[in-house]
Parts: sequence; C-alpha cells; structure tokens
Amino acid sequence: EPEVTQTPSHQVTQMGQEVILRCVPISNHLYFYWYRQILGQKVEFLVSFYNNEISEKSEIFDDQFSVERPDGSNFTLKIRSTKLEDSAMYFCASKGGEDQPQHFGDGTRLSIL
Amino acid sequence: GQQLNQSPQSMFIQEGEDVSMNCTSSSIFNTWLWYKQDPGEGPVLLIALYKAGELTSNGRLTAQFGITRKDSFLNISASIPSDVGIYFCAGRHYNNNDMRFGAGTRLTVKP
Repeated sequence: EPEVTQTPSHQVTQMGQEVILRCVPISNHLYFYWYRQILGQKVEFLVSFYNNEISEKSEIFDDQFSVERPDGSNFTLKIRSTKLEDSAMYFCASKGGEDQPQHFGDGTRLSIL
Repeated sequence: GQQLNQSPQSMFIQEGEDVSMNCTSSSIFNTWLWYKQDPGEGPVLLIALYKAGELTSNGRLTAQFGITRKDSFLNISASIPSDVGIYFCAGRHYNNNDMRFGAGTRLTVKP
C-alpha cells in the first residue's frame, strides 16, 4: 500500500540554525499538510498546500516557517531560525481529493539544542 | 471556534471489554475521522465519516457521525492488547481544508 515517507526520522539541530524536513507524499495525491506534535500533546495543524500554494495556515506557522514543493515528489518544511520550542514531532500528510482522508507519515523528531 | 473536545483522556480496561470514546465540537464539521497513534509513529487512519448519522465499522471498530454534525464516537468491541495506543478524533470544517485534532484518548488494555 502506498505510504507517505518522511526523512530524516530524527534531526538534531543547534538553536538558531535552519532545518529542512522532507516528505514524499503518496504519488497521486494533490493536497499536502504539515502538522506538529509536541511530546505528550495533541497533533496541531501547521499548514496545508494545494495547487502549488498555501491554502491554510495556523497561527503556529509564522514567518520562520516555509513550505515548498520543489519537484513532483517532494514536499518540504523549512524552519529558518530554530528555537528550543520548535522541538517536536513533525508529521507530513497527504490526500488524493478534497473529500478524501489524510494519510500520515511516521514523522520526523526534531530536537533543538 | 473549531476546538474539539475528546473524552475520556485515558482509559484502563481489561482485555475483552468494550471501549467507547467521543469527540464534540461547538461548530459543525463535514468530515470526522478517527486515527490511532502508536509510540514513535504517525497517526494511522481507522475510520472516515462523511455524512451526518453515518455509522461505519472496521472490524471491531465502529464509529458514528453525529446527527448534529458536532460530535462523533468510536467504539472498540472485545478489546485486545494490541489496541493499546492513543486514539485521536479529527474533524474538517465545511469551509476550509485543514483538520483539527482532539487531544487524544490513551487506551491501556490489561491482559
């Protein structure tokens, strides 16, 4: 069964450094998402992306965050200058149509030192 | 707003017992989904609901989309040890494309 894949599984970065999290959504999917889950807490929506542009973003997704779909397969989340509070699991998700359910990757654990 | 209230926060049950958890919202959703998350992994879709009143089963799992469109429940019958994990409800509001998650129900099943 096709799945969403995320790399790396764990990223350790110094505070203030830039980090790029990578996702390969399911191949025929059109809608892409990033979520964040701080340890022990619920999954929080960050951003949705459709037709090569951001369609929705939350208050968490400030100017330090950006997303990109540089080619036909990758979907990336960049954090420009990381802060300690950015430490969390970051999940990518995709879906094939507007009324289809989202499917999640296994996440990238981001640790900011 | 689109906040989801999920309850209970945690459950400790004996193997073989049935489980019920639910989510409520102050606003109307047009899609309800239930996910399970195991430690260190991403949420895995269990059941998706698209119509008010819809009752859908997936093996021992049954979920319903409330008539008011503001709530949903998930039942697990005859629980087994591998049901252990965190169960999240998620809802999509009718006029946007993002999803909101409940805080999760942590299920522990004692053999």
